[in-house]
Amino acid sequence: DIQMTQSPASLSASVGDRVTITCQASQGISNYLNWYQQKPGKAPKLLISGASTLEAGVPSRFSGGGSGTDFTFTIHYLQPEDIATYFCQQYNALPPITFGQGTRLEIK
Amino acid sequence: QVQLVESGGGVVQPWGSLRLSCAASGFTFSDFGMHWVRQAPGKGLEWVAVISYDGNRKIYADSVKGRLTISRDNSRNTLYLEMDSLRLEDTAVYYCAKDRVRRSSWFIFDHWGQGALVTVSS
Repeated sequence: DIQMTQSPASLSASVGDRVTITCQASQGISNYLNWYQQKPGKAPKLLISGASTLEAGVPSRFSGGGSGTDFTFTIHYLQPEDIATYFCQQYNALPPITFGQGTRLEIK
Repeated sequence: QVQLVESGGGVVQPWGSLRLSCAASGFTFSDFGMHWVRQAPGKGLEWVAVISYDGNRKIYADSVKGRLTISRDNSRNTLYLEMDSLRLEDTAVYYCAKDRVRRSSWFIFDHWGQGALVTVSS
């Protein structure tokens, strides 16, 4: 199975900050990587697919990049409504698809 | 708009059984693969199973193989998860999720239900 190592596990940042989360795959997955946002008590929401393609309706302050084994997810101007846990997910090697452990984002 | 509504969660004893349902609307259900993804309390996400748009292909995570069964009824726009021989570690919120790509399974979950809590406890 492909392991996804996501870091940091948690972070605290101020409104307006740029925040970056990383996800590393245990083997190359090309660009078969998605990012999800999960707000407390809610279902996950797809933000980015194919490592860098923003879903319709997702604010442009969110972006993703990377290929192979190393990926990044960035919020360019943190807003209070961005409080959530963020997960990466690979879909290169099936089954199983695997998720990162999640990054819990808090506002300072 | 796409809506997925799970039902059937509850408390069950170890080795017991439960069936979850996921009622779909707002899209052509019979055109899309569907998944179950679970989340243990305070933990991360774990993919459980996928069923192809026509119900002919099913794939399971090793942790549930032989105990959980995914199925669908395209005439009723409903996805199911039959859960047997339940274990304590199956306690989780179970989400149904729609695949993004029509008539294929790309494991891109573009819509999710609100989740159904299954608690396995003696």
